Amino acid sequence: QSALTQSRSVSGSPGQSVTISCTGTSSDVGSYSYVSWYKQHPGKAPKLMIYDVNKRPSGVPDRFSGSKSGNTASLSISGLQAEDEADYYCSSYAGTFTVFGGGTKLTVL
Amino acid sequence: QVQLQESGPGLVKSSGTLSLTCAVSGDSITSTNWWSWVRQPPGKGLEWIGEIYHRGTTNCSPSLKSRVTMSVDKSKNQFSLNLSSVTAADTAVYYCARRGGYFEDYWGQGTLVTVSS
Repeated sequence: QSALTQSRSVSGSPGQSVTISCTGTSSDVGSYSYVSWYKQHPGKAPKLMIYDVNKRPSGVPDRFSGSKSGNTASLSISGLQAEDEADYYCSSYAGTFTVFGGGTKLTVL
Repeated sequence: QVQLQESGPGLVKSSGTLSLTCAVSGDSITSTNWWSWVRQPPGKGLEWIGEIYHRGTTNCSPSLKSRVTMSVDKSKNQFSLNLSSVTAADTAVYYCARRGGYFEDYWGQGTLVTVSS
């Protein structure tokens, strides 16, 4: 199976909004509403930010939102803050296993 | 508060077997959750390895399925990963996690395993 496709990097200034995309296939993203997003700082474990396409775990700010259209899922972050700078990974259920994206580095300028 | 802690050798010889254990606290290994392993090679992205349910049912990544064995020890509230025939490409930080559904909601801190020749 192939990893989901994410852009390598994205950037934005504080207060701005950014969107990170995650493209899969009809066998994963396109077939299931089980896309999740993780934030990871260097040397730290990933943290769940979005699950089931658009649900936020308790404690995750509502500045973070998720969506999906066809084979592509998206993570949107509004009101960028310095603490949002990190690597972001998407993942999708693919039938009997889960597949991750290659990761996107978010830089807050 | 759910906590997970990986343990095992940090150095494994090429062609050998990588063995890791994940101790769980704050939740029962026999709950309705599944338990998973994810790895991350140095400087690279996350790779899902597989998951196990306390009754022994497993699901694995197709690319690793032939080399992966997972088990649960209910008496110790922990689960384990064995990866056989390792090569340098298996050098990574290995994370154990709880599956809250079709996602990992709690993660261990990770443990670096280096495969040496």
